[in-house]
Amino acid sequence: EPEVTQTPSHQVTQMGQEVILRCVPISNHLYFYWYRQILGQKVEFLVSFYNNEISEKSEIFDDQFSVERPDGSNFTLKIRSTKLEDSAMYFCASKGQGNEKLFFGSGTQLSVL
Amino acid sequence: DQQVKQNSPSLSVQEGRISILNCDYTNSMFDYFLWYKKYPAEGPTFLISISSIKDKNEDGRFTVFLNKSAKHLSLHIVPSQPGDSAVYFCAASEVSSGGSNYKLTFGKGTLLTVNP
Repeated sequence: EPEVTQTPSHQVTQMGQEVILRCVPISNHLYFYWYRQILGQKVEFLVSFYNNEISEKSEIFDDQFSVERPDGSNFTLKIRSTKLEDSAMYFCASKGQGNEKLFFGSGTQLSVL
Repeated sequence: DQQVKQNSPSLSVQEGRISILNCDYTNSMFDYFLWYKKYPAEGPTFLISISSIKDKNEDGRFTVFLNKSAKHLSLHIVPSQPGDSAVYFCAASEVSSGGSNYKLTFGKGTLLTVNP
C-alpha cells in the first residue's frame, strides 16, 4: 500500500539553527499538509499546499516557517531559526483528489535544545 | 479554540468488551468526521469516517455514530482486542470548503487500553 514517508525520524538541533524536515507524499496525491503535535497536546494544523502554493496556514505558521515542493516528489518544511517551543512531532500528510482522508507519515520528532 | 473535543484522555476496557470513545464538536460547518488510530512512533492511520448526511457507519468491529443535533460522535469497538490499544483521534472537516482549503481539525485524543 502506498505510504507517506518522512525523514529524518528524529532531529536534534540547537536553538536558532535552521532545520529542514522532508516528506515524500503518496505519488498521485495533489494536496499536502504539515501538522505538528507537541507532547501531550492535540495534533495541530500548520499549513496546506496545493498547486505549488500555500492554500492555508495557521497562526503557528509564522515567518520562520516555509514549505517547498522542490521537485515532483518531495515536500519540505523549513524552520529558519528554531525556538525551544518548536520541539514537537511533525507530521506530513497528503490527500488525493475527491477523497476526504488524509494519509499521514510516521513523523519527525524535532528536539530543540 | 477547541473546535473538536475529546474529554476522556484515557479509557481502559477488558478484552471482548465494547469500547466507546466520544467526541464533541462546536463548529456547525463541519460536515465530515473521521477517526484515526495512532500507535507510538507512528503517524495517525485512518480508521473510519462518516458524512453528516448519515448517522451511522459500520466497518467490521468499528461503528461510528453521529448525532448532529448534539454535535456529538462516538466510536464503538466491539469486541475490543488488545491490539486495539492505541491513541484514538477524532477529526472533523468541512468538505464544502472546497478542495484546496480542505483540512482536518483534530481532538486531543483518547488513549485506549484493552486488557487481556
